[in-house]
Amino acid sequence: GAVVSQHPSRVICKSGTSVKIECRSLDFQATTMFWYRQFPKKSLMLMATSNEGSKATYEQGVEKDKFLINHASLTLSTLTVTSAHPEDSSFYICSARELAGNEQFFGPGTRLTVL
Amino acid sequence: AQRVTQPEKLLSVFKGAPVELKCNYSYSGSPELFWYVQYSRQRLQLLLRHISRESIKGFTADLNKGETSFHLKKPFAQEEDSAMYYCAPTGRASSYKLIFGSGTRLLVRP
Repeated sequence: GAVVSQHPSRVICKSGTSVKIECRSLDFQATTMFWYRQFPKKSLMLMATSNEGSKATYEQGVEKDKFLINHASLTLSTLTVTSAHPEDSSFYICSARELAGNEQFFGPGTRLTVL
Repeated sequence: AQRVTQPEKLLSVFKGAPVELKCNYSYSGSPELFWYVQYSRQRLQLLLRHISRESIKGFTADLNKGETSFHLKKPFAQEEDSAMYYCAPTGRASSYKLIFGSGTRLLVRP
Protein backbone atom coordinates (compact mmCIF):
# COMPACT_ATOMS: atom_id res chain seq x y z
CA GLY A 1 0.00 0.00 0.00
CA ALA A 2 0.88 3.65 -0.24
CA VAL A 3 3.33 4.89 2.37
CA VAL A 4 3.72 8.34 3.84
CA SER A 5 6.73 9.27 5.92
CA GLN A 6 7.34 12.16 8.26
CA HIS A 7 10.58 13.56 9.50
CA PRO A 8 11.52 14.07 12.23
CA SER A 9 9.46 11.71 14.37
CA ARG A 10 10.05 13.90 17.39
CA VAL A 11 11.69 17.23 18.00
CA ILE A 12 12.39 19.32 21.05
CA CYS A 13 13.16 22.98 20.56
CA LYS A 14 13.50 26.19 22.52
CA SER A 15 10.80 28.79 22.56
CA GLY A 16 11.25 31.29 19.73
CA THR A 17 12.91 28.96 17.29
CA SER A 18 11.42 27.56 14.10
CA VAL A 19 10.90 23.91 13.33
CA LYS A 20 10.40 22.28 9.95
CA ILE A 21 8.50 19.02 9.53
CA GLU A 22 8.63 17.08 6.28
CA CYS A 23 5.93 14.87 4.84
CA ARG A 24 6.75 12.59 1.94
CA SER A 25 4.69 10.22 -0.15
CA LEU A 26 7.15 7.42 -0.84
CA ASP A 27 5.59 5.42 -3.64
CA PHE A 28 2.88 7.58 -5.11
CA GLN A 29 2.24 11.12 -6.23
CA ALA A 30 0.08 13.30 -4.07
CA THR A 31 -1.49 16.42 -5.47
CA THR A 32 -2.94 17.17 -2.07
CA MET A 33 -1.49 16.78 1.38
CA PHE A 34 -3.16 17.65 4.65
CA TRP A 35 -1.73 18.76 7.96
CA TYR A 36 -3.40 17.92 11.26
CA ARG A 37 -2.82 18.46 14.95
CA GLN A 38 -3.80 15.81 17.42
CA PHE A 39 -4.02 16.47 21.14
CA PRO A 40 -3.78 13.58 23.60
CA LYS A 41 -6.77 11.27 23.38
CA LYS A 42 -8.48 13.64 20.97
CA SER A 43 -9.50 13.53 17.36
CA LEU A 44 -7.50 15.03 14.54
CA MET A 45 -7.89 18.72 13.90
CA LEU A 46 -7.27 19.75 10.30
CA MET A 47 -4.93 22.70 10.07
CA ALA A 48 -4.48 23.19 6.35
CA THR A 49 -4.68 21.67 2.91
CA SER A 50 -1.52 21.74 0.87
CA ASN A 51 -1.78 21.68 -2.90
CA GLU A 52 1.25 21.09 -5.07
CA GLY A 53 2.35 24.26 -6.77
CA SER A 54 -0.12 26.57 -5.07
CA LYS A 55 -0.74 28.23 -1.76
CA ALA A 56 -2.04 26.22 1.12
CA THR A 57 -5.59 26.63 2.31
CA TYR A 58 -5.82 27.14 6.07
CA GLU A 59 -8.69 26.23 8.32
CA GLN A 60 -10.39 28.89 10.34
CA GLY A 61 -8.39 29.91 13.36
CA VAL A 62 -5.06 28.61 12.07
CA GLU A 63 -2.45 31.32 11.63
CA LYS A 64 -0.87 31.02 8.20
CA ASP A 65 2.12 33.12 9.20
CA LYS A 66 2.69 30.86 12.17
CA PHE A 67 2.38 27.59 10.32
CA LEU A 68 4.09 27.92 6.95
CA ILE A 69 3.30 25.22 4.44
CA ASN A 70 5.20 24.51 1.26
CA HIS A 71 4.27 21.83 -1.26
CA ALA A 72 7.04 22.07 -3.80
CA SER A 73 6.63 18.69 -5.44
CA LEU A 74 4.12 15.89 -5.82
CA THR A 75 5.86 13.91 -3.10
CA LEU A 76 6.88 16.49 -0.51
CA SER A 77 5.11 18.96 1.71
CA THR A 78 6.71 20.81 4.61
CA LEU A 79 5.22 22.47 7.66
CA THR A 80 7.30 25.08 9.42
CA VAL A 81 6.25 26.16 12.87
CA THR A 82 7.72 29.64 13.17
CA SER A 83 8.69 31.24 16.47
CA ALA A 84 7.46 28.22 18.33
CA HIS A 85 5.96 28.59 21.80
CA PRO A 86 5.06 25.97 24.40
CA GLU A 87 1.42 26.06 23.33
CA ASP A 88 2.51 24.81 19.91
CA SER A 89 3.63 21.57 21.51
CA SER A 90 1.53 18.87 19.93
CA PHE A 91 1.46 15.85 17.67
CA TYR A 92 1.47 16.92 14.04
CA ILE A 93 0.23 14.48 11.42
CA CYS A 94 0.25 14.73 7.67
CA SER A 95 -1.71 12.77 5.12
CA ALA A 96 -1.54 12.50 1.37
CA ARG A 97 -4.21 11.93 -1.20
CA GLU A 98 -3.47 10.19 -4.47
CA LEU A 99 -4.09 11.81 -7.82
CA ALA A 100 -7.14 9.61 -8.26
CA GLY A 101 -9.22 8.53 -5.33
CA ASN A 102 -10.43 9.92 -2.06
CA GLU A 103 -8.46 7.80 0.36
CA GLN A 104 -5.88 9.59 2.47
CA PHE A 105 -2.71 7.88 3.64
CA PHE A 106 -1.37 9.05 6.95
CA GLY A 107 2.13 9.66 8.17
CA PRO A 108 3.31 8.40 11.56
CA GLY A 109 3.23 11.87 13.06
CA THR A 110 5.78 14.23 14.59
CA ARG A 111 5.84 14.98 18.29
CA LEU A 112 6.86 18.60 18.82
CA THR A 113 7.84 19.78 22.28
CA VAL A 114 8.63 23.44 22.77
CA LEU A 115 10.48 24.27 25.95
CA ALA B 1 -22.24 22.15 7.12
CA GLN B 2 -20.46 18.85 6.96
CA ARG B 3 -20.48 17.08 10.27
CA VAL B 4 -19.93 13.65 11.81
CA THR B 5 -21.32 12.40 15.08
CA GLN B 6 -19.83 9.44 16.89
CA PRO B 7 -21.94 9.40 20.05
CA GLU B 8 -19.86 6.96 22.07
CA LYS B 9 -16.53 8.21 23.39
CA LEU B 10 -15.78 4.83 24.87
CA LEU B 11 -17.20 1.44 24.09
CA SER B 12 -16.14 -1.38 26.37
CA VAL B 13 -17.05 -4.97 25.55
CA PHE B 14 -15.83 -8.41 26.47
CA LYS B 15 -13.95 -10.58 24.04
CA GLY B 16 -16.31 -12.47 21.80
CA ALA B 17 -19.16 -10.00 22.20
CA PRO B 18 -20.69 -8.19 19.24
CA VAL B 19 -19.72 -4.59 18.79
CA GLU B 20 -21.30 -1.68 16.94
CA LEU B 21 -19.67 1.71 16.67
CA LYS B 22 -22.17 4.31 15.62
CA CYS B 23 -21.60 7.02 13.06
CA ASN B 24 -24.09 9.56 11.78
CA TYR B 25 -23.16 12.21 9.29
CA SER B 26 -24.46 15.36 7.72
CA TYR B 27 -22.97 16.03 4.30
CA SER B 28 -24.03 17.83 1.16
CA GLY B 29 -24.12 15.74 -1.97
CA SER B 30 -22.88 12.16 -2.14
CA PRO B 31 -19.93 11.58 0.13
CA GLU B 32 -17.63 8.64 0.25
CA LEU B 33 -17.54 7.21 3.76
CA PHE B 34 -14.48 5.80 5.50
CA TRP B 35 -13.65 4.18 8.80
CA TYR B 36 -10.12 4.79 9.98
CA VAL B 37 -8.50 3.04 12.94
CA GLN B 38 -5.63 4.11 15.14
CA TYR B 39 -4.02 1.42 17.25
CA SER B 40 -1.93 2.42 20.23
CA ARG B 41 1.24 4.24 19.12
CA GLN B 42 0.50 3.62 15.45
CA ARG B 43 -0.52 5.84 12.60
CA LEU B 44 -4.06 6.21 11.38
CA GLN B 45 -4.92 3.57 8.82
CA LEU B 46 -7.85 2.85 6.63
CA LEU B 47 -10.12 0.12 7.95
CA LEU B 48 -12.77 0.15 5.28
CA ARG B 49 -14.65 2.33 2.82
CA HIS B 50 -18.25 2.07 1.83
CA ILE B 51 -17.70 1.78 -1.91
CA SER B 52 -15.63 -1.38 -1.59
CA ARG B 53 -18.19 -3.20 0.56
CA GLU B 54 -15.39 -5.38 1.92
CA SER B 55 -15.09 -6.98 5.30
CA ILE B 56 -11.77 -6.13 6.89
CA LYS B 57 -10.63 -7.90 10.06
CA GLY B 58 -14.20 -9.07 10.47
CA PHE B 59 -15.60 -5.54 10.44
CA THR B 60 -18.38 -4.42 8.14
CA ALA B 61 -20.18 -1.13 7.68
CA ASP B 62 -23.28 -0.43 5.68
CA LEU B 63 -24.09 2.98 4.37
CA ASN B 64 -27.69 3.93 5.14
CA LYS B 65 -28.40 7.05 3.12
CA GLY B 66 -31.91 7.40 4.54
CA GLU B 67 -30.62 7.55 8.10
CA THR B 68 -27.29 9.09 7.04
CA SER B 69 -25.49 6.50 9.07
CA PHE B 70 -22.42 4.35 8.55
CA HIS B 71 -22.21 2.17 11.64
CA LEU B 72 -19.26 -0.18 12.07
CA LYS B 73 -20.01 -3.71 13.22
CA LYS B 74 -18.21 -6.85 14.19
CA PRO B 75 -19.97 -9.96 15.44
CA PHE B 76 -17.20 -11.20 17.74
CA ALA B 77 -14.77 -8.63 19.12
CA GLN B 78 -11.14 -9.56 19.75
CA GLU B 79 -8.70 -7.98 22.19
CA GLU B 80 -6.56 -6.78 19.29
CA ASP B 81 -9.49 -4.70 18.09
CA SER B 82 -8.93 -2.31 20.97
CA ALA B 83 -8.16 1.02 19.30
CA MET B 84 -9.52 4.42 18.39
CA TYR B 85 -12.00 4.38 15.52
CA TYR B 86 -12.87 7.36 13.38
CA CYS B 87 -15.71 7.70 10.91
CA ALA B 88 -15.05 10.21 8.14
CA PRO B 89 -16.90 11.23 5.00
CA THR B 90 -15.25 13.09 2.19
CA GLY B 91 -16.16 14.40 -1.20
CA ARG B 92 -16.47 17.47 -3.32
CA ALA B 93 -18.55 19.34 -0.74
CA SER B 94 -15.61 19.38 1.67
CA SER B 95 -12.98 19.88 -1.05
CA TYR B 96 -12.00 16.27 -0.45
CA LYS B 97 -11.06 16.93 3.15
CA LEU B 98 -11.91 14.13 5.53
CA ILE B 99 -14.46 15.26 8.06
CA PHE B 100 -13.45 13.48 11.26
CA GLY B 101 -15.78 12.63 14.08
CA SER B 102 -14.58 12.79 17.64
CA GLY B 103 -13.78 9.11 17.51
CA THR B 104 -14.79 6.13 19.60
CA ARG B 105 -12.35 4.26 21.75
CA LEU B 106 -13.08 0.56 21.66
CA LEU B 107 -11.81 -1.45 24.57
CA VAL B 108 -12.14 -5.20 24.32
CA ARG B 109 -11.64 -6.88 27.66
CA PRO B 110 -10.42 -10.46 28.02
